[in-house]
Amino acid sequence: AQSVTQPDIHITVSEGASLELRCNYSYGATPYLFWYVQSPGQGLQLLLKYFSGDTLVQGIKGFEAEFKRSQSSFNLRKPSVHWSDAAEYFCAVGASTGGFKTIFGAGTRLFVKA
Amino acid sequence: DTGVSQDPRHKITKRGQNVTFRCDPISEHNRLYWYRQTLGQGPEFLTYFQNEAQLEKSRLLSDRFSAERPKGSFSTLEIQRTEQGDSAMYLCASSVGGSGNTIYFGEGSWLTVV
Repeated sequence: AQSVTQPDIHITVSEGASLELRCNYSYGATPYLFWYVQSPGQGLQLLLKYFSGDTLVQGIKGFEAEFKRSQSSFNLRKPSVHWSDAAEYFCAVGASTGGFKTIFGAGTRLFVKA
Repeated sequence: DTGVSQDPRHKITKRGQNVTFRCDPISEHNRLYWYRQTLGQGPEFLTYFQNEAQLEKSRLLSDRFSAERPKGSFSTLEIQRTEQGDSAMYLCASSVGGSGNTIYFGEGSWLTVV
């Protein structure tokens, strides 16, 4: 079974600064990897996904993530954070075989200070 | 594409009462998922359907929980004899095919058991 770890419960960055949110996964086969964002009281919106091919994937809102198989990581980055990026971010891993459920990490809350 | 819709968005119920949530997936999506999310946590997988067949149930889904998708379209999640620990947001999601396809979430149904 797959699992996801997001080591940082919350992160605070200044507006305009760069951002990196960490994600480590565990899965025996090639994973499907996702980053979702959730605003308070809302559902989850997909930012980007990795299935295969180029290990650097681009998403919406200026986000990107890099898949590093050797480190079992899929970190999310943004070069310049905007105040509207304040939200909860979830990394998720989907199984490529057997049961096809997607498992989520506990999330990282992003705070943006002016 | 009208997105995944859930009803009701909020429900307050007394302990011991039964509640039912409805989910209407995106029309061409054959997979439907239910997740539960508590404050400060990521979504936890509960169950999923492929068409009308319920293919997997989490251990989190006790005997008091039942989910159906009778015609392979909308789904219901019923909780019988609610307990305070059932208070959470119940998220529905849908996708085309398996885990390689993105799952799209609804806005969620908040349950408060008093």
